[in-house]
Amino acid sequence: GENVEQHPSTLSVQEGDSAVIKCTYSDSASNYFPWYKQELGKGPQLIIDIRSNVGEKKDQRIAVTLNKTAKHFSLHITETQPEDSAVYFCAASTGGAQKLVFGQGTRLTINP
Amino acid sequence: EAGVAQSPRYKIIEKRQSVAFWCNPISGHATLYWYQQILGQGPKLLIQFQNNGVVDDSQLPKDRFSAERLKGVDSTLKIQPAKLEDSAVYLCASSSDRNTEAFFGQGTRLTVV
Repeated sequence: GENVEQHPSTLSVQEGDSAVIKCTYSDSASNYFPWYKQELGKGPQLIIDIRSNVGEKKDQRIAVTLNKTAKHFSLHITETQPEDSAVYFCAASTGGAQKLVFGQGTRLTINP
Repeated sequence: EAGVAQSPRYKIIEKRQSVAFWCNPISGHATLYWYQQILGQGPKLLIQFQNNGVVDDSQLPKDRFSAERLKGVDSTLKIQPAKLEDSAVYLCASSSDRNTEAFFGQGTRLTVV
């Protein structure tokens, strides 16, 4: 089955700097790659997703890149703000929201 | 639009007791998921419903876990009897169909002592 590895497990950056989180997946049939943000005591919230027919997607300060050949995808957050502090999860599936396999999570801390 | 509602928010039980969690998905969402999130890990899918039918329960420990979605709307997840290793946050999510994004509820934090 699918296996998703996420790095780093913790990341600390200065406010205003960029943050990058990377994930690799094992199943070449996976075609949907969402990123979720989870704040303390809350459920995961979808922040951006990408499908395998696209190499890059951007939404304001957040972007995701996908390399199908290498089977890895990354989350890029620019101009980080204190409210970006949270745990971020990547996930992969072979079809939309079903059978999502999550990475282990990255705890991002933005230092003022 | 109202989000996915779950109750209770917190539950503490002794091992070998039973417990039930409730989920009300976003109105009109046909697909409903239950995930287990152990502290420090990503969510793991337990079961997926399409309307009131089970699509995938391959990772549900069926000797102790059960779930139902009567009338294709609300869902309940039950654990009987509970073990210490069942301590986790149980997340419910829904999507309008299988291929669209999933929206998560706040979860129920279960502690088994």
